[in-house]
Order: sequence, then C-alpha cells, then structure tokens
Amino acid sequence: SQKIEQNSEALNIQEGKTATLTCNYTNYSPAYLQWYRQDPGRGPVFLLLIRENEKEKRKERLKVTFDTTLKQSLFHITASQPADSATYLCALAGGFKTIFGAGTRLFVKA
Amino acid sequence: GAVVSQHPSWVICKSGTSVKIECRSLDFQATTMFWYRQFPKQSLMLMATSNEGSKATYEQGVEKDKFLINHASLTLSTLTVTSAHPEDSSFYICSARAPRGNTEAFFGQGTRLTVV
Repeated sequence: SQKIEQNSEALNIQEGKTATLTCNYTNYSPAYLQWYRQDPGRGPVFLLLIRENEKEKRKERLKVTFDTTLKQSLFHITASQPADSATYLCALAGGFKTIFGAGTRLFVKA
Repeated sequence: GAVVSQHPSWVICKSGTSVKIECRSLDFQATTMFWYRQFPKQSLMLMATSNEGSKATYEQGVEKDKFLINHASLTLSTLTVTSAHPEDSSFYICSARAPRGNTEAFFGQGTRLTVV
C-alpha cells in the first residue's frame, strides 16, 4: 500500500539555522509533491508544489527538492525564525486524491 | 488565494446526537470537496470526496450512513456525523482544489468535535 514517512521526532533548531525536513514515500508515483504548514488546531496551509520532472523549487526562504529515484523530498527553511515553528506536512498527488504524511513538528528557538 | 471557510470551528455534543459541519468555498466554485479526519499527531486521513450534485465517494472503512455528506451547491458541502460517539471525537477538515487546476488544495480552518 502507499506509504509516506516523515520524521516522527520533533525537530528542534536554533534561530537563524537551516531546518531540513524529510519526506519518503513508497509504492507511489506521484505527479507532484506538496508541502503544507499546519499550526495547532488549524487547517493546513499550502506552501510549495514541485512536479515529478522538477529537481528543486524555491520560494523566499523555502526550498524543496524532489528525487523520484530515491522517492524522497527534502524541505528546507533557511534563516529560520521562531515564527516558523509549526508542523509541516508532505503530500503526494498523482491523480484526484492527495495523500498526506503525518507531519514533522518543527521548533525554532530564539 | 482561494478561501475555504469551515463552520463551526469547534463543537461539543452529547453521545447519540448528530452534528453538522459546513464547508464553503467563498470566492470560487468547487465541484469537488474533500473531507478529512485528523487524530492528534497523526496525518490527515481522507474520509470522502464530495461531488456537487451527486453522491459522495467514501474511502474504505468509512461508514457512509454515519458520515452523511451533502454537496448541494458549487460552494457548499456539509458533513453530518450521525449518532455521534466519543470515538468520533476528532479534528475534521475540508478542502477544495484550486479553481484553475488540480494542484494546490485550500483547506478550511477545521472543526474540533468533542463527543461527551
């Protein structure tokens, strides 16, 4: 069955450092991969999308890579800030449905 | 970006009663909306796909008679949890696809349901 794995452990980093989150998947060939941010008690908010034929995508302090051979995506937040503290969800879409990972909780300390 | 509004944001109900949750696309028409359930520290689990003017498509293991979905217009889908039990307590979230294509999904703010 399709499976998405994200770091189950929370990620704690110091303000100003780069946060790197990992998303691995199996038994799936997504047309594109998305990253969302979710704050406690709120719905997810879309951040970035990267297509299967793209290696890297950037948006301000965010960078996403997509390796369809390794079946892995990396999500980077550079110059991290305490306001970046949230849960980040990886989502795969290859048709009509979107499948989400459980998310990685990021804490950025001042 | 497109806005999806969900109401109520939280609700407490007694066991055996029914609760209705509304999901509205405020500035675009959504022929399809999606309903998810999320337990603490777990991923969003797709419950059903709501199709305007037709029956919803339920995921395996989701009881369609318990989770009634109605998508009567292009801007409104409702999820009714019937005969609610404490195990139905969860965070329910709806989403709709961006109007220009099948990529970005816009989510409602979620509804925290607590059944006592």
